[in-house]
Amino acid sequence: NAGVTQTPKFRVLKTGQSMTLLCAQDMNHEYMYWYRQDPGMGLRLIHYSVGEGTTAKGEVPDGYNVSRLKKQNFLLGLESAAPSQTSVYFCASSRRGMGPQHFGDGTRLSIL
Amino acid sequence: GENVEQHPSTLSVQEGDSAVIKCTYSDSASNYFPWYKQELGKGPQLIIDIRSNVGEKKDQRIAVTLNKTAKHFSLHITETQPEDSAVYFCAASGRGSGGYNKLIFGAGTRLAVHP
Repeated sequence: NAGVTQTPKFRVLKTGQSMTLLCAQDMNHEYMYWYRQDPGMGLRLIHYSVGEGTTAKGEVPDGYNVSRLKKQNFLLGLESAAPSQTSVYFCASSRRGMGPQHFGDGTRLSIL
Repeated sequence: GENVEQHPSTLSVQEGDSAVIKCTYSDSASNYFPWYKQELGKGPQLIIDIRSNVGEKKDQRIAVTLNKTAKHFSLHITETQPEDSAVYFCAASGRGSGGYNKLIFGAGTRLAVHP
């Protein structure tokens, strides 16, 4: 039982490059989330989804896009990476809108 | 805006001692308060949560208390062990949409338990 799986685990990009982070969950959860974690700032919500085919903006959405074409997958895209997007990105999922969130182990992204 | 403050940012205790981490929240409508433990290189893992209709909840060596009037909640770990060393995050539910109450996270507390 894998839970929430994030790929890749590490990535280094140059400024202006694009990439997609993949999140997959096998718990049949409706809700999925993308957070970024920066030192001393806890977790901040980037985008979230309340079901297949839906997406919504979180606290810090600028510079990111997301898609939820399949219930089990939630993709986070960076169209033109900037050094300010260097961070650790976590995906999470939950069965209900208010309840325990299950996190993946993160993607460490460095943008030079 | 919605905010969660967490103290202390670092905490060092001797094995067997108790550890207490405190959080305050700003939104009086918050009604769900989870605590997460994050070990090095891993994602946060839920260790305990409490809802606003309950004042205290225990799970073995871990307990959480909630004071709705003062808008603060605390995590208590008794008989600490070296494996309790990690970063702990509190969170409070905030106003969302589409049936979703977003979580607002505190900045985290790094707990070190020394043998």
